[in-house]
Formats: sequence, C-alpha cells, structure tokens
Amino acid sequence: KQEVTQIPAALSVPEGENLVLNCSFTDSAIYNLQWFRQDPGKGLTSLLLIQSSQREQTSGRLNASLDKSSGRSTLYIAASQPGDSATYLCAVGYSGTYKYIFGTGTRLKVLA
Amino acid sequence: GAGVSQTPSNKVTEKGKYVELRCDPISGHTALYWYRQSLGQGPEFLIYFQGTGAADDSGLPNDRFFAVRPEGSVSTLKIQRTERGDSAMYLCASSLGLNTGELFFGEGSRLTVL
Repeated sequence: KQEVTQIPAALSVPEGENLVLNCSFTDSAIYNLQWFRQDPGKGLTSLLLIQSSQREQTSGRLNASLDKSSGRSTLYIAASQPGDSATYLCAVGYSGTYKYIFGTGTRLKVLA
Repeated sequence: GAGVSQTPSNKVTEKGKYVELRCDPISGHTALYWYRQSLGQGPEFLIYFQGTGAADDSGLPNDRFFAVRPEGSVSTLKIQRTERGDSAMYLCASSLGLNTGELFFGEGSRLTVL
C-alpha cells in the first residue's frame, strides 16, 4: 500500500532556529514530491516541487531534498520566523497513478 | 483566473439534503483534482479529471458522491443525501496536466452537515 508518513506530528521552536521536517514514503517509484503549507482553515499553498530526477530544490529560506532509494524527503527551514507557523504537508505522486498521496502533516509553531 | 476559485467557502446543510460545490481552476490547466480533508488529517484523494473525463474516481467514498466537468474547465462536486460524516473541508486543485507540474489549491469549501 502506498503511504506517506510525516514526523514529527507537531514541533515548537524558538524564533531563529533552523529546523528539519521529515516525510517518508513507501515505494520508490514516484514521479514527483511536493511540499505545501496550510494555515488554519485555509487551502494549501505550494512551497516546493521536486521531480523524481532531482535531488533538491531551494526557494528562499526553504530547501527540500529527495532520496528516492530510502523513501525520504526533508524540508529544511532556515532562520525560522513566527510567520512560518503553519502545518506543513508533503504529497507524493506515485508512478502509474496521478493521484497524489498526502501525509498527515507537521504542525509547526515558531515562538517569538 | 489568477488562482483556483472554490464556492461556496462555507456551506451548512441538514442531513439528507443535496449539496453542490464548485471549482474554477487556473485558466489553461487541464488537470483538476478533488480532495477531502478532515480536521487534523491530510487531504484524501476523491477524483481527478484530465479535460472533461474523470480519469480516476476511485477515491469517491460511495455512490452519493459524483463530480462533473462538462466543458473541461469548471467542475462541480455533487453530494446527495448528505450525512453528518460528510462534514469536512473539500479542496480542489489544478495543474497544467497530469504528471506535469505543481498542484495549485483553492481555499476550499467547508461543509457542515447538521
């Protein structure tokens, strides 16, 4: 069964810390992986998309890596700010299907 | 449009009623997805379209749920005989094509069945 797991489920850090969010997936046959941010009661905002042929993508203070062989992706957030507080979700696009499978998310709180 | 638009943003209905949720994707995006999200959970796949046809509707929970996209743009998710368990956030997303790029989501439609 194709599953996506995100650890930790919740994380609270002081402002300024660098942090890593984890996403693991079963089955390495994927075509891409996407990281999203979701604020309470809102839709999802795309952060980074990594194609299966890529190892990482960067946007500002965010860096996402992909290791298909181990079934893992990490989202690195540098110099965290209170405005980064949100739930972060990863979604995996498995080969042979076009329906993305989501993890349950990591709820991040950055304390001022 | 500039982004994915979903209406209504909130819908409160009574058990047994019929509900329609609308999604207007980004102009030029041929792929359209519907997801459902319960509190504290990740989005759960319902159905996706490539153009006008439902390419995969395996996530629809039962035959009370149906979705259409008659002209390959706007889509409507229809729920008959609503149940309290249908209460959730319904999210729509679009992309340039299947397997060809980022998913862009709307703000969702919050459905509450009393």
